[in-house]
Amino acid sequence: GESVGLHLPTLSVQEGDNSIINCAYSNSASDYFIWYKQESGKGPQFIIDIRSNMDKRQGQRVTVLLNKTVKHLSLQIAATQPGDSAVYFCAESGWGGNQFYFGTGTSLTVIP
Amino acid sequence: EAGVTQFPSHSVIEKGQTVTLRCDPISGHDNLYWYRRVMGKEIKFLLHFVKESKQDESGMPNNRFLAERTGGTYSTLKVQPAELEDSGVYFCASSQVTVDNEQFFGPGTRLTVL
Repeated sequence: GESVGLHLPTLSVQEGDNSIINCAYSNSASDYFIWYKQESGKGPQFIIDIRSNMDKRQGQRVTVLLNKTVKHLSLQIAATQPGDSAVYFCAESGWGGNQFYFGTGTSLTVIP
Repeated sequence: EAGVTQFPSHSVIEKGQTVTLRCDPISGHDNLYWYRRVMGKEIKFLLHFVKESKQDESGMPNNRFLAERTGGTYSTLKVQPAELEDSGVYFCASSQVTVDNEQFFGPGTRLTVL
């Protein structure tokens, strides 16, 4: 089956610093990746996505990097703010797939 | 535009009882998904509807779980009889397009089976 995991379950950063959240996946056929942010009491919210034909994609203060060689995905958050405190999930789906496979999540805490 | 809504937000039941969770997707979204997160573990796919049809139910744990989507609008997920290991947060998501498309998640229903 699919295996999507995260290297660290928790991460604490100082406000204003950059954050990097990592994710590993096992299915080399994975074609589409999404990072979700889940705040307390809410469902996962889309942050940014990337397809397997790309290595990097940037959004507002966020960058996703995809290394297909080692099957690794990372989310970089620039100038981390208190509002960024949440659990972050990576999710992936195979080509033509309709279901996402999620990692266990990384809890990010921003220290003011 | 209203997002995905789920009801109830919390449910506490005893082992052996029945619980029905409801999901209202974003209007116009043909695709509806159910996921479950057991404490401290990953979010796992349960099943996928396209309109009223079950496209993929490979993630359903066992026959105690029954999902329906009458008329292709809202969906229900019934657990009967509930067991202790069914405790967790049940998420519903919807999307317009099936493949490689953002899924919009609801806030989840936290189910506790005592």
